Formats: sequence, C-alpha cells, structure tokens
Amino acid sequence: DIQMTQSPSTLSASVGDRVTITCRASQSIHIWLAWYQQKPGKAPKLLIYDASTLESGVPSRFSGSGSGTEFTLTISSLQPDDFATYYCQQYHLNFGQGTKLEIK
Amino acid sequence: EVQLVQSGGGLVQPGGSLRLSCVASGFTFSSYWMSWVRQAPGKGLEWVANIKEDGSEKYYVDFVKGRFSISRDNAKNSLYLQMNSLTAEDTAVYYCAREGVWGQGTTVIVSS
Repeated sequence: DIQMTQSPSTLSASVGDRVTITCRASQSIHIWLAWYQQKPGKAPKLLIYDASTLESGVPSRFSGSGSGTEFTLTISSLQPDDFATYYCQQYHLNFGQGTKLEIK
Repeated sequence: EVQLVQSGGGLVQPGGSLRLSCVASGFTFSSYWMSWVRQAPGKGLEWVANIKEDGSEKYYVDFVKGRFSISRDNAKNSLYLQMNSLTAEDTAVYYCAREGVWGQGTTVIVSS
C-alpha cells in the first residue's frame, strides 16, 4: 500500500500570508493526487486535481505542484475563508493525515 | 446538478450490520470509479473501499477486509456499502465519493 504523509499537521498563519503544505507518497503516484479543503461538519471540497490543475470555481490563490512522490499545496495570500483543514489524497485511495490551518 | 445522495446510517449494536446507499445523479455514474470514505469523530479522512466503473475490481483498506463489501448497480445509479461485524471503531461519518463530488455524509454509530 502507498502511504501518504502530510506536513505540517498544524499551521498557524495570518491573513495575507503565503503558506505551503507538503504531501509525500511512499512511492511514485505520478500526478494522481488531489487536494481537498474541509470545514467542520461539511464534506470535503476539491481544490486541485492531477496534482496541479485548479478545480473550476476555486480561487487562483490556491495552487498545486509536484509529481512522483513530492507534492505541495500553496495558498498565495490567505483569506479568512481559508482557515480549514486540508488533505491530500492519492486518487480513490489513501489520504494524508490532514493539515489544520489556524489563525495566528 | 451533479450530486450524490446518501442514506442508511444509524445506531447499531456491536457485531451488527448496516447497509449504506448512495444514489448518483447529474452525471454518467457507470463511467466513474466510486469510493467510500469515513471520518471518525475528531479524526481525519480515511479511505475505506473503492470499486471500478463496471464493478469488476474492488479494493478495501485492511481493517475492513472480510467485514465490509462495496457494490454498485449501474442501472440504478447506486453505490452500496454492506458493513458487517461492526465495532465501536467503525463509528464515523461515511461519505460516498467520486472525483470531486461527495455525498452529504451519513452517520454510523456502533454502540450498545
């Protein structure tokens, strides 16, 4: 089984900051990776698919990069609505442990 | 509108069984892999099982193998999860999902 390791588990930041979340796969998954945002009590929302393709309707401050085993999600300028938990997922398989983005 | 509508959760005793359902609309259901994902209270997302477009391939996370069974009926645009031998550790919100589309979630509580 391919394991997904996400870091950090918690990230404290301020509105306007640039933040990066990292996801590592235990073996190559090419570009078959998605990033999700989840808020309490809600289903996850797709942000990025194929490692770097922005889902329709998602603000352009979100971006994804990487291939193989190393991936990143970057938010270029944090907005109040962005404080949530973020997950990476190998398509239809394992998730990373999640990164809770908190207000500093 | 593309959507997944779930049903079938509830309270069940340890050792009991439950069947979750998920009805798809707004897209060609038979063209997509489908998954079940769960989230225990206060925990992260956990992939449970997935099934190929035609149902010919099914995969499960280790801790549900032999207890849970995923299936689909493409004629009814429906996905199912049969859960047997439930334990307290199976208590979670269960989601059905395809790429980018999630059901609303259904709560399963295993308790005596």
